[in-house]
Amino acid sequence: EAGVAQSPRYKIIEKRQSVAFWCNPISGHATLYWYQQILGQGPKLLIQFQNNGVVDDSQLPKDRFSAERLKGVDSTLKIQPAKLEDSAVYLCASSLEAGGEAFFGQGTRLTVV
Amino acid sequence: DAKTTQPTSMDCAEGRAANLPCNHSTISGNEYVYWYRQIHSQGPQYIIHGLKNNETNEMASLIITEDRKSSTLILPHATLRDTAVYYCIVRVVGYQFYFGTGTSLTVIP
Repeated sequence: EAGVAQSPRYKIIEKRQSVAFWCNPISGHATLYWYQQILGQGPKLLIQFQNNGVVDDSQLPKDRFSAERLKGVDSTLKIQPAKLEDSAVYLCASSLEAGGEAFFGQGTRLTVV
Repeated sequence: DAKTTQPTSMDCAEGRAANLPCNHSTISGNEYVYWYRQIHSQGPQYIIHGLKNNETNEMASLIITEDRKSSTLILPHATLRDTAVYYCIVRVVGYQFYFGTGTSLTVIP
């Protein structure tokens, strides 16, 4: 079974630039999560989708972050404009249903300089 | 916010059992206990979960106290590949996973 695919693996941008991350969940998984993991901390949920609808985006900084999940499959997370404090690993995860265990991708390491 | 308390770090000799404790004294009746681990530079990996009965799978065993206020993850024969950060999470089915800072386990040769 293929796992959760994320790209790019690494990204370096200057502050105030924009960046986008892509996630392809495990086939058939209805629930998709985006997490932010700052160095030395546990992952923090940014947004949770159920199919193509948003279930929870309470911790998403909506002034600069946006996410979409078109057709209930792939998802993109965008940051515009980026700040230094956005430097982190961005993890995508999916689960068969909202109640199931989540499977994580390897993440995208973002460095904002 | 994370509702669990775990030691910051632990060491374990290779081949011995690793016992990782977790306190979740405010756990609700409908919250499950989940364990994930994160090996360096990888995404978290699901290990096991349970409600109130002890659980065992090919990776580990989960022992939950009768009052459900604490639990222990047991890796029966730790190997160097088990070196990772281990997260204990309590979660209502359908809701998000709240990760704390976890326990950094180092398996020593």
